[in-house]
Amino acid sequence: NAGVTQTPKFRVLKTGQSMTLLCAQDMNHEYMYWYRQDPGMGLRLIHYSVGEGTTAKGEVPDGYNVSRLKKQNFLLGLESAAPSQTSVYFCASSEWRGGPDTQYFGPGTRLTVL
Amino acid sequence: AQKITQTQPGMFVQEKEAVTLDCTYDTSDQSYGLFWYKQPSSGEMIFLIYQGSYDEQNATEGRYSLNFQKARKSANLVISASQLGDSAMYFCAMREGLAGNNRKLIWGLGTSLAVNP
Repeated sequence: NAGVTQTPKFRVLKTGQSMTLLCAQDMNHEYMYWYRQDPGMGLRLIHYSVGEGTTAKGEVPDGYNVSRLKKQNFLLGLESAAPSQTSVYFCASSEWRGGPDTQYFGPGTRLTVL
Repeated sequence: AQKITQTQPGMFVQEKEAVTLDCTYDTSDQSYGLFWYKQPSSGEMIFLIYQGSYDEQNATEGRYSLNFQKARKSANLVISASQLGDSAMYFCAMREGLAGNNRKLIWGLGTSLAVNP
């Protein structure tokens, strides 16, 4: 079991470029999440999905789009990158089966926008 | 107002000693859950322990225990017998409402723990 994996691990973009971050999970979890982590600001939820084909906005959705075409994958897109999107991006997944609905995280993607 | 407050930006502890990391929360919901995560310097977020608002016993997971004081709205993480590998950032998070209804976690800003040999 790989758990939650993220591709790529590092990326440098120029302002205005686009890219897609891929998150994959092999735990058959229903729910998936994208967060960003910035110094002094903790984790902030960008978008999340409660099932295949569904997405919802989180706390800081502007400038990002997401898609969940397959249950195991959750893609985060930046259409026109800005320096303010320099951050570490984490994907997580969870499943509620009557327990705590714990979120399990991927290793993160460090993105720098110049 | 912050819903999750971690008042200790940085903590030091001697190896093999116990340490308590503070977390206070603010919610008007009767049902909620509290989580602790560890983030070592390598960057991954590792789930440590969970406490539900209706759990009567304090949660324990190996060397980790949660000192849950509902009336004071605190959920402090206790690490016993600290090891060098415990040096990391520790985050407290809360889910308001029932687990089946709410997907979102509210995060604290973290406490950096350094374990001295």
